[in-house]
Amino acid sequence: KNEVEQSPQNLTAQEGEFITINCSYSVGISALHWLQQHPGGGIVSLFMLSSGKKKHGRLIATINIQEKHSSLHITASHPRDSAVYICAVSPGGGGGADGLTFGKGTHLIIQP
Amino acid sequence: DTGVSQDPRHKITKRGQNVTFRCDPISEHNRLYWYRQTLGQGPEFLTYFQNEAQLEKSRLLSDRFSAERPKGSFSTLEIQRTEQGDSAMYLCASSLANGKGHYEQYFGPGTRLTVT
Repeated sequence: KNEVEQSPQNLTAQEGEFITINCSYSVGISALHWLQQHPGGGIVSLFMLSSGKKKHGRLIATINIQEKHSSLHITASHPRDSAVYICAVSPGGGGGADGLTFGKGTHLIIQP
Repeated sequence: DTGVSQDPRHKITKRGQNVTFRCDPISEHNRLYWYRQTLGQGPEFLTYFQNEAQLEKSRLLSDRFSAERPKGSFSTLEIQRTEQGDSAMYLCASSLANGKGHYEQYFGPGTRLTVT
């Protein structure tokens, strides 16, 4: 069983819809990351969070440490949001190794 | 451009050949990471450096793989006697570990390796 599970694996929605991508993890973590990957490979960090909620523009990320669950929301989705969204975790313990463990990603397509 | 850069962006090689990739991190970043991503999968951690010291290696990093960061700046990843299973995107990332907890990682564009 993968330590980081994402759902759904694929999501197609219409422009303007509210999007939710979920991430569950089974290990202790020091932080959780949401990343965006466009075709061609480039990865951009969207959020890094260890508690609560963060908002940046139309993107919102939440985490529930007790339930080991995080969600990424996109409001008023737009075709340019089409990408693969990846959840990744930094191991617990802090200050030590922090090579990320990644989920498989959610392939999002927003149709105009 | 002051982001993470990787060279080459694409590499096609024949099975059994050696290849070397280079990563230049953001200049003040002391941590550098290598990841591998195969088609349709999330990236997998290979190794990371703090300055010039290689602090962790994944069991995915077989004896054919070696990474260096000799002066604590750029890093190289060499694969010897390449196999078709090595075909993947090799990603580099860097971060500034300042002792205050969680460190955001900045990714390079990746090197796509195809072994024929």
